[in-house]
Amino acid sequence: GAVVSQHPSRVICKSGTSVKIECRSLDFQATTMFWYRQFPKKSLMLMATSNEGSKATYEQGVEKDKFLINHASLTLSTLTVTSAHPEDSSFYICSADNQDRENEQFFGPGTRLTVL
Amino acid sequence: KNEVEQSPQNLTAQEGEFITINCSYSVGISALHWLQQHPGGGIVSLFMLSSGKKKHGRLIATINIQEKHSSLHITASHPRDSAVYICAVRGISNFGNEKLTFGTGTRLTIIP
Repeated sequence: GAVVSQHPSRVICKSGTSVKIECRSLDFQATTMFWYRQFPKKSLMLMATSNEGSKATYEQGVEKDKFLINHASLTLSTLTVTSAHPEDSSFYICSADNQDRENEQFFGPGTRLTVL
Repeated sequence: KNEVEQSPQNLTAQEGEFITINCSYSVGISALHWLQQHPGGGIVSLFMLSSGKKKHGRLIATINIQEKHSSLHITASHPRDSAVYICAVRGISNFGNEKLTFGTGTRLTIIP
């Protein structure tokens, strides 16, 4: 139990387009999901905390209009990178809090975004 | 100084060796996670602990709350254990909700 999926696993897009990444908790409900970004050989950087039914809270320096987060249900959160630019190329990982497991976070497999 | 420090940053060992990875933190926490990240990028949660010791197969994690220190041990290491091991502590963010703060990771390579 406690499986988190992400889709797509890999996406290549042209500069200026928008990309949506989905994060789903497959076998548990998650009132809180997290979106991280990871640069090569670096640790994860929290971008925002997504709470079901309310607005996401963004970390300092993360543009909320650039990275739109929607958490419409207890099993789905989406991250949309709007008007993507090459500097947005990165590895994006989501995680979900499992309240049945003492709020342990379970991570998705990640999405590698390349913006040309 | 980072809030979460891991050592060593890189570790290469022979198959079968006993492995220890250390994590020290400087903030108040409610729990500590040990995570494993393989080259493909996916992250697996190995342990979450707030006191004492946990064991799962060949993996053992310990935490000393007073000393703000945790260790991850791997017994009878195997090449498939090669991965990046990340320590993450759970605390309260500026917004009042819980968040993880990550160490920089330990890159483990086990040579057959």
